[in-house]
Parts: sequence; structure tokens; C-alpha cells
Amino acid sequence: AQKITQTQPGMFVQEKEAVTLDCTYDTSDQSYGLFWYKQPSSGEMIFLIYQGSYDEQNATEGRYSLNFQKARKSANLVISASQLGDSAMYFCAMREGSFGNEKLTFGTGTRLTIIP
Amino acid sequence: GAGVSQSPSNKVTEKGKDVELRCDPISGHTALYWYRQSLGQGLEFLIYFQGNSAPDKSGLPSDRFSAERTGGSVSTLTIQRTQQEDSAVYLCASSPYFSTDTQYFGPGTRLTVL
Repeated sequence: AQKITQTQPGMFVQEKEAVTLDCTYDTSDQSYGLFWYKQPSSGEMIFLIYQGSYDEQNATEGRYSLNFQKARKSANLVISASQLGDSAMYFCAMREGSFGNEKLTFGTGTRLTIIP
Repeated sequence: GAGVSQSPSNKVTEKGKDVELRCDPISGHTALYWYRQSLGQGLEFLIYFQGNSAPDKSGLPSDRFSAERTGGSVSTLTIQRTQQEDSAVYLCASSPYFSTDTQYFGPGTRLTVL
């Protein structure tokens, strides 16, 4: 079974609109972390936002927020007021395992294109 | 301060040759990771270092792949007898101490095996 599932291979969104990128995960660990990374065409992976499994509040970082629904095992990324520079690949990732034996597993990504 | 750096940025090699990829983590970061990203794919975990030791080598695809880290800083990923399926972007990331910390990625090395 896939550990991280991103069901939207590509999305087109009008500039200034909000966009939600879906991510569901599968783990039996009680303690885990969820990350979103952005990869522009330059190739570098840019950290956006992190949510710990015990965090009660949804994480927010500027225009990015993570809609964490633990019972549904989903960790969707919401980008408010999208900008042209948001066009990129977006990867959801999950860290699981005990200290010294952790792994970070990435989804297959969503390619987001912002339309002017 | 400086971010994670990787060299070379691009490497073209012939099938059967050995290649060595280098990663310089952010100064002071003790955790270091190697990933592989094939064209249009997500990231595949290869190996994780905590200091100079690698508690998890399970992601290395074959015994042609090896990695080492010396002085708790620079790491090298070596691929022996390269095959065409080794062609990919190899990404390195570091985090301050615990692997629970956010990982910061380098720009990657694009490896092409002809």
C-alpha cells in the first residue's frame, strides 16, 4: 500500500484563487510528522510547512496552511491567494519511525499551474 | 548562512564507470540524507546519516551504491559500474540534529548514464 497518496497529478488554478492540494497517508505509528515541499522548475526542494501528529492546531505559514484531519489520515495543503510564482510541483511527505530509524516517504507529487 | 551544496551539478558518464557525488550539509547539521528522483517521479529515500554513522541503509538500491560521511560533515555517494537506470537527480538534505527536524535540500546532482 502507498504510504503517501497524492491523487491530483496536475491542477490549473486562476491567479488569486485559493487552492487545495490533497494528501492522504498510511501509518501505524502514533508519532509521525507530515511535510509539504515545493519543487519549482529549478529542481530545488523548498520546505513549506510541517505538522506533527500530536499538534492539535493546524499548521500555518504565511499563505500556506495544512488542513490536518487525523481520523481521516489526510493532510491537505491550502494555498490562499495563489500567485504565478506558486507554479511548481508540490510533494507531501511523511516521517515515521523511532529516533535513529526514521524514514521520510514522499508522494508522487502534484503539478500546480497558476493561470494569469 | 550557506545552504546545502552538492557537486557536481551535472554528471554525464558512460555505462560501467564509477561516479562519486558530493554533499556539503549546512554547517552544524548532524543529520544528512540522500534521495534519488527519477524523471517525473517523487523522491526515493536512499540513506540517512546521524553524524558519521548510517543507521538506515535500507534504501540503497543495490550493492553498487555506497555512501560515507567523514567528520560529521561532507558526504559522498558512490555508484560503481553505473547502469542506465541509475540516471536520475540525486538530492541531498540535512537537518539540525533529530531527523524530526525539517530537512533542507541541496540543488541536486543530475546524473546521466549513457
